Amino acid sequence: DTAVSQTPKYLVTQMGNDKSIKCEQNLGHDTMYWYKQDSKKFLKIMFSYNNKELIINETVPNRFSPKSPDKAHLNLHINSLELGDSAVYFCASSSTERSLNEQFFGPGTRLTVL
Amino acid sequence: DAKTTQPTSMDCAEGRAANLPCNHSTISGNEYVYWYRQIHSQGPQYIIHGLKNNETNEMASLIITEDRKSSTLILPHATLRDTAVYYCIVRVETGRRALTFGSGTRLQVQP
Repeated sequence: DTAVSQTPKYLVTQMGNDKSIKCEQNLGHDTMYWYKQDSKKFLKIMFSYNNKELIINETVPNRFSPKSPDKAHLNLHINSLELGDSAVYFCASSSTERSLNEQFFGPGTRLTVL
Repeated sequence: DAKTTQPTSMDCAEGRAANLPCNHSTISGNEYVYWYRQIHSQGPQYIIHGLKNNETNEMASLIITEDRKSSTLILPHATLRDTAVYYCIVRVETGRRALTFGSGTRLQVQP
């Protein structure tokens, strides 16, 4: 009954490869996010989707492309991976219908680029 | 979102109350104070939020000063599992907005 799940939990890959991280939420939320936490532990928003439409796209390289096939899923595809992409990526979700607007986070995906 | 200032780190003895301060002197009238925490290697977890009244839930209490320029998160009986980084975030209450995390306070609960 996991609320926000991510796969894989760990991802080790070579520079130049293309990889995807999947995120699913079973909370019925209409907004989903991708955050990046770098080696210095700073958490920063990358993308935000509301009802499958992109509403936030921070200064993120074009190599990063989010895809939302439906409201419950927000996947992150990364092309031509670089060393600096190594980080922990967190997916989160929230609802615009509830006054609380609490965000629920997934367990994270630790990406290591060699 | 208004800027927040938190101490870098704090220690607390197990079983005692942990009081984590946060300054947000530029907070606007429609901005809420949110607290999240991140236990090592896990995703951030919502704790509590408030506008101007003090709030309490099963996890913690939130005390907001009358001028709303600062607040304190209180964990009444800290346990070792409360060791984490605690983030104070000020923002308007809308579900479409992402969270802006600062560096937070690293709370170490000592046995």
